Amino acid sequence: QVQLVQSGAEVKKPGASVKVSCKASGYTFSNYYLHWVRQAPGQGLEWMGLINPGGGSPTYAQKFQGRVSMTSDTSTNTVSLDLSSLRSGDTAVYYCARVGIYSKFDLWGQGTLVTVSS
Amino acid sequence: DIEMTQSPSSRSASVGDRVSITCRASQNILIYLNWYQQKPGKAPKLLIYAASTLENGVASRFSGSGSGTDFTLTISDLQPEDLATYYCQQTSTTPHTFGQGTKLEI
Repeated sequence: QVQLVQSGAEVKKPGASVKVSCKASGYTFSNYYLHWVRQAPGQGLEWMGLINPGGGSPTYAQKFQGRVSMTSDTSTNTVSLDLSSLRSGDTAVYYCARVGIYSKFDLWGQGTLVTVSS
Repeated sequence: DIEMTQSPSSRSASVGDRVSITCRASQNILIYLNWYQQKPGKAPKLLIYAASTLENGVASRFSGSGSGTDFTLTISDLQPEDLATYYCQQTSTTPHTFGQGTKLEI
């Protein structure tokens, strides 16, 4: 079954870091880039960055530069998003999405809620 | 960054209506435009890619058009299950920005 399965919900204090994972199955992991998109409560979608699971440097949105890291592990078909120096504005559902030809985001994870609260 | 502007922000319609949602890019994005449907508590679902190509398995009442800076998503014969928020997204350059969304109420 072709799917992306994300790790569970997290609650973090301001200033802390969070790691969200996204495990791919049912397709050739290295053939598709994976992107991260987040959605704050009641808000729209915000693109965060992308990673090529097969190698190469990730590309991050300028807004997150310096406190975001995206990594890939081909042995477990998993990509991870690390976000540091968390603040309340980072409270959101974080999605991973597979991107194929024509840059279509055709497969999404179920989303991971990250809550930042003191 | 390329700014994507959708209109309207919300729209009320009836079953059987034909509904159009527009998306304008702040610069030329050729046909690098995707449309998504998102229902509450769910991940977005791809409807249209490359401005006008229907994703496999998506109902044929959904269609997309446009190129350059102006794009339209049309839903013909609106169904109750089309209650959702719709987003456009440009994939011409990073960051792959989204429109602010159009909430469709039936």
